[in-house]
Amino acid sequence: EDQVTQSPEALRLQEGESSSLNCSYTVSGLRGLFWYRQDPGKGPEFLFTLYSAGEEKEKERLKATLTKKESFLHITAPKPEDSATYLCAVRPTNDYKLSFGAGTTVTVRA
Amino acid sequence: GAVVSQHPSWVICKSGTSVKIECRSLDFQATTMFWYRQFPKQSLMLMATSNEGSKATYEQGVEKDKFLINHASLTLSTLTVTSAHPEDSSFYICSYGAGGWETQYFGPGTRLLVL
Repeated sequence: EDQVTQSPEALRLQEGESSSLNCSYTVSGLRGLFWYRQDPGKGPEFLFTLYSAGEEKEKERLKATLTKKESFLHITAPKPEDSATYLCAVRPTNDYKLSFGAGTTVTVRA
Repeated sequence: GAVVSQHPSWVICKSGTSVKIECRSLDFQATTMFWYRQFPKQSLMLMATSNEGSKATYEQGVEKDKFLINHASLTLSTLTVTSAHPEDSSFYICSYGAGGWETQYFGPGTRLLVL
């Protein structure tokens, strides 16, 4: 069974204080690893898709990286508007379904 | 990315009544879409996969007679929670697969509160 574990559960940062979120996964064969951002009371917003180990993608202050066992979401010089829950999900090669982690809730204080 | 809408955004109903939630893709047509449920402080759990023109496929533990899914067109799917009970109170989110299902785009969600 596919498993996705995210850590830490919660992260409190000062504005400008860079940090990383971890997503560890177990999947029979990885079709893709996805990062989403979810604001309170809203649906997840797509951020990145990573397909193979060594791949990196960036968007503004966010950078996602992938190894064979885990993915990191790096937040560089975060701003209060980066406060959200960040969800990681994997899709196996033999299925279209996504398995989600529990998320990391990031709070950035001004 | 794809634009997905849901209606209503929140609903309060009495125990025993039925509630219908609509999910629309606004900028593309999709044969397959997904319904998720999210409880407070928890992640998304897939409830069912809906294919246009055919019966939905439900995940283990999800009652198909309680959560009725209709995918009548390429841009509209509905989820009806029948005979709702307080334990059905949750955040319901739909998603469409785009780009060969490489990416799922999610709707804004519907908050259901059953009294």
